[in-house]
Amino acid sequence: SQQGEEDPQALSIQEGENATMNCSYKTSINNLQWYRQNSGRGLVHLILIRSNEREKHSGRLRVTLDTSKKSSSLLITASRAADTASYFCATVPNYGGATNKLIFGTGTLLAVQP
Amino acid sequence: GAGVSQSPRYKVTKRGQDVALRCDPISGHVSLYWYRQALGQGPEFLTYFNYEAQQDKSGLPNDRFSAERPEGSISTLTIQRTEQRDSAMYRCASSLVSQGKRNTEAFFGQGTRLTVV
Repeated sequence: SQQGEEDPQALSIQEGENATMNCSYKTSINNLQWYRQNSGRGLVHLILIRSNEREKHSGRLRVTLDTSKKSSSLLITASRAADTASYFCATVPNYGGATNKLIFGTGTLLAVQP
Repeated sequence: GAGVSQSPRYKVTKRGQDVALRCDPISGHVSLYWYRQALGQGPEFLTYFNYEAQQDKSGLPNDRFSAERPEGSISTLTIQRTEQRDSAMYRCASSLVSQGKRNTEAFFGQGTRLTVV
């Protein structure tokens, strides 16, 4: 089963615009991570935010986490055509043990038009 | 190579045959994960290992699926008596996490595309 759902399922924007994707999850977590998957290629880690953090930045990426609402958002600023990909959030559930199981959401397909 | 390596990249097999998918993680990575990904969906967790110990196999769909990592490095995912519904991309990932340290990223291989005909 998948932990999270992402919203929107698909997003089309113009180059230079900002893109915002949202992720909701179901259980208590240790951390939440965002991954990118280009067409026909593997998954690449973008950013990790711990459960005790509320916001994190990395280059053009900004991630927020609201554990009370069990939700996260990924903002990509000044988008480029090369940002076209599927974006997935993934959580490490907090089962109280040492598990590092990553549970993925359903993904957002982002298309950046040049 | 420096990344996670999976083989074969593509596998076409007849229904009823057994298949073995191999994953060679990044050297020194403690945790190894197997996922299955259907077209247009997110990766679905199958199982994971810390060193050679299978920590969680709750995602394996049924007893035709098994995985091992006997020496704590290379892992094999085996599907017995394959069925058409097993067709999917099978992805392996590894991470440098050890017991109790969970805030690390996972590195994914390119996957094995399995087609059961």
